[in-house]
Order: sequence, then structure tokens, then C-alpha cells
Amino acid sequence: AQRVTQPEKLLSVFKGAPVELKCNYSYSGSPELFWYVQYSRQRLQLLLRHISRESIKGFTADLNKGETSFHLKKPFAQEEDSAMYYCALTLLNAGGTSYGKLTFGQGTILTVHP
Amino acid sequence: NAGVMQNPRHLVRRRGQEARLRCSPMKGHSHVYWYRQLPEEGLKFMVYLQKENIIDESGMPKERFSAEFPKEGPSILRIQQVVRGDSAAYFCASSPVAGGGHEQYFGPGTRLTVT
Repeated sequence: AQRVTQPEKLLSVFKGAPVELKCNYSYSGSPELFWYVQYSRQRLQLLLRHISRESIKGFTADLNKGETSFHLKKPFAQEEDSAMYYCALTLLNAGGTSYGKLTFGQGTILTVHP
Repeated sequence: NAGVMQNPRHLVRRRGQEARLRCSPMKGHSHVYWYRQLPEEGLKFMVYLQKENIIDESGMPKERFSAEFPKEGPSILRIQQVVRGDSAAYFCASSPVAGGGHEQYFGPGTRLTVT
């Protein structure tokens, strides 16, 4: 079965420092990887996904199939980045479409101090 | 577009009662997903539905839990004879289609407390 691991439950950095939220997955097929974010008192929302290769709010994530990782990075953290971050994956079938369900990691609470 | 709506936001039930959680997907979305988040854990998939069909219920407990998404009206997650272990946040998400990379839009969740 597929699994997503976020080894850090809590991560604290100071404003302006680089930040990296780790995500490892286990699945032998073709997954699609996502990062979702939940800001205080807001609903869970998509931050970015690996197929789009976008940079959102300064965050980037590269899928490393060799290391089965999808770490989220930002070179200069801002206080407004403080939130809960979830790494998730969905499985792709042979046709390249998703089976639909997302498998989530346990989440990492990022706190950016002034 | 109001986004995915869930009600109630908070629900308190005594052991043995029934809990009914409702989810209205975003306009134009015909795919609904239910996830459960137990305390100190990540979200766990429960069930995936399209209008009038259950597509994947691999995450649903075998007993007491059921879900539906009728042709008209919201999707309903029903928990019969609730127990303390059912206390959790239940999230609903919707998407316009399934398949490769389509974003799931999440509701605010229903927090169920079983006393």
C-alpha cells in the first residue's frame, strides 16, 4: 500500500531563513505528489503539485524518484508562511489518470518567528 | 462560488446515536471524497463517490459507516451507533472530474464528538 511520511511534526525557523519540509513516499508505481496547506482558521487548500512544476508563494518542490522524496522548499521564509503543511499523493493508472483518492502524510506545523 | 459546504460544523452525539454529516460540493463538481482526521493524525481517505455511485470505498470501516451522493442534494456520510473512537474531524472534498492532477477542493470539516 502507498504511504506518505513527513518526519517532522513541528518545524520552527526565523523570518528570512531557508525552510525545507520533508516528505518521503513509498509506492512502486506512478504517483502524483501534492503539497496542501492549512492556514489558521482556513480550510485545506492546494499549494502545489509536481506535474505543474510551478513556484507558488516562493515555494518549490521537486519529485526525486530515486530517493522517493518530494521535499518542499523556500529560500526565505515569511511569517505568513506559518501553517500546517500536508504532503499527499494520488496514484495514476496505466492511462495516466488518477484513481482519485489522496493519501496524506501526518502533517508538519511550520512556525516562522519574526 | 461558495466553495465546498459542510454541515453541521460541530456535532455532538451520545454513544449509540446516529450521526449524519452533509457535504455540498462546489457548483459543477460531480466527484466527492470523504476523509477522516483522528486526533494527532493526518487525513485518511474513506470513500469516493460520483453522483449515485460509490467509486471507491476502500477506506470505509466495514460496519456502521455508509455514504451516498444522490442525484439531487448533498452527499451524506452516515455513522450508526457511534462510539467514542468515531470522534474526529470529517472532511469532504470535491473535484470537477477525477483523473490526473485535478485539484480537490476541501470543505471546512465537521468535528464530531461522541460523549
